[in-house]
Amino acid sequence: AQSVAQPEDQVNVAEGNPLTVKCTYSVSGNPYLFWYVQYPNRGLQFLLKYITGDNLVKGSYGFEAEFNKSQTSFHLKKPSALVSDSALYFCAVRDISDYKLSFGAGTTVTVRA
Amino acid sequence: NAGVTQTPKFRILKIGQSMTLQCAQDMNHNYMYWYRQDPGMGLKLIYYSVGAGITDKGEVPNGYNVSRSTTEDFPLRLELAAPSQTSVYFCASSYSRLAGGRDIQYFGAGTRLSVL
Repeated sequence: AQSVAQPEDQVNVAEGNPLTVKCTYSVSGNPYLFWYVQYPNRGLQFLLKYITGDNLVKGSYGFEAEFNKSQTSFHLKKPSALVSDSALYFCAVRDISDYKLSFGAGTTVTVRA
Repeated sequence: NAGVTQTPKFRILKIGQSMTLQCAQDMNHNYMYWYRQDPGMGLKLIYYSVGAGITDKGEVPNGYNVSRSTTEDFPLRLELAAPSQTSVYFCASSYSRLAGGRDIQYFGAGTRLSVL
C-alpha cells in the first residue's frame, strides 16, 4: 500500500519569505513523487516530479523539492513566495510498479502582501 | 490545445436521479482516471482506464460506472445519485506508465455535483 501525509492543513507566509510545504510518503518499493497545485475552481496542475537522480528537483514557477529517502520526505520549497502562489498544494506518490497515484489531503498556502 | 475537457461544470441532482459526467482528452493519452475531491480528503480514485475497452476500479468505485469506447472519451455514470456523492469530480489523463515518469497527469477543470 502507498500513502502520503501532508501534516499541515494551512501554511501562511509573508510575500518575499521562504515557503515550505511538507510531505512524507510510504511505499513498498521505490517512489515516484509529484507535486501538484490547484487554484480556485480549477483542476490540478503539475509542478514537479522526482523519479530518480538528483535529490533536488526544480519545477515550474520557481518551486523546488528535495527528496530525502531516509526521512521518506519530499518537501516543496520556494525561496521567495509571491501572493500569486496562494493555492492548494497536493503531494502525490506512486510505487514504480504501479500507475495509480495516491494523493495527500492537500495544504492551503496563503501568501500575504 | 484543449487538453482535458469536462462537462458539465456544475450540476444539481435529486436523490435517485442518474447522470453522466463527460470527459474528453485530445492528447492521445492512453491512461485516463476519474477522481472525487472532498474537503480535507485529497483526491480519491474512482475508476481508471489503461486504454480503449479496458477499465478497472479504484479506491471508491461504489455507485459509479465507466466505459471507454474510444481513446478520447471516458464518461463516468452515476446510476442512483445519493447525497454521499456530493463532491467535485476530476477527470485526468496521462501518456503511460513508462519508466522515466512520462506519466504526468493532466486534469480537467472539474464538475461540481450536489445531490439533494
